[in-house]
Amino acid sequence: GAVVSQHPSWVICKSGTSVKIECRSLDFQATTMFWYRQFPKQSLMLMATSNEGSKATYEQGVEKDKFLINHASLTLSTLTVTSAHPEDSSFYICSARDSLRETQYFGPGTRLLVL
Amino acid sequence: GENVEQHPSTLSVQEGDSAVIKCTYSDSASNYFPWYKQELGKRPQLIIDIRSNVGEKKDQRIAVTLNKTAKHFSLHITETQPEDSAVYFCAAGPTNSGYALNFGKGTSLLVTP
Repeated sequence: GAVVSQHPSWVICKSGTSVKIECRSLDFQATTMFWYRQFPKQSLMLMATSNEGSKATYEQGVEKDKFLINHASLTLSTLTVTSAHPEDSSFYICSARDSLRETQYFGPGTRLLVL
Repeated sequence: GENVEQHPSTLSVQEGDSAVIKCTYSDSASNYFPWYKQELGKRPQLIIDIRSNVGEKKDQRIAVTLNKTAKHFSLHITETQPEDSAVYFCAAGPTNSGYALNFGKGTSLLVTP
């Protein structure tokens, strides 16, 4: 399958700081990427859809000013958690859609811990 | 919006037995149904998918069936092995968010030797 990378794999930060997470499609171009959040022993919850060259589409209940998404190229989307708080601690996973295969592939995830 | 129900939430089988996980969806416009396997702390891995123009698809020990009329699809794993132990998620799409997927709550499969 196609390869999607995510960086960093884990991050610990102080409350009030901002954290940027990168998602890259390594061997295909992805006009559409997705950001999910997963709490322990729970399913993946879609946060937003990231479209290359346009504004992201956020799911209901997700604050766009808190979770900034930028998709500036066909292989890179970034999620910035602004003014992080302990309740933002979670496993953040991106996925990228391979339009040729019409399939989504997931990144390895980023574990965020806000102290 | 799309609602994906997945059952059972936990499943324990003995090595060599078969495992079946079932999902239902609500949006008749959904036409893509992937299954992902997620091991603890790792990314979900696509193991098989099916599109609405196909009723069944098989890949070695894994098969997926789709009943579009009833809006349900199932994952079948035969000759289970301990390394099949993981959480399995079904999903359906597209959604109102375009190509995004709606995921079921997951099934924790345990295969005991």
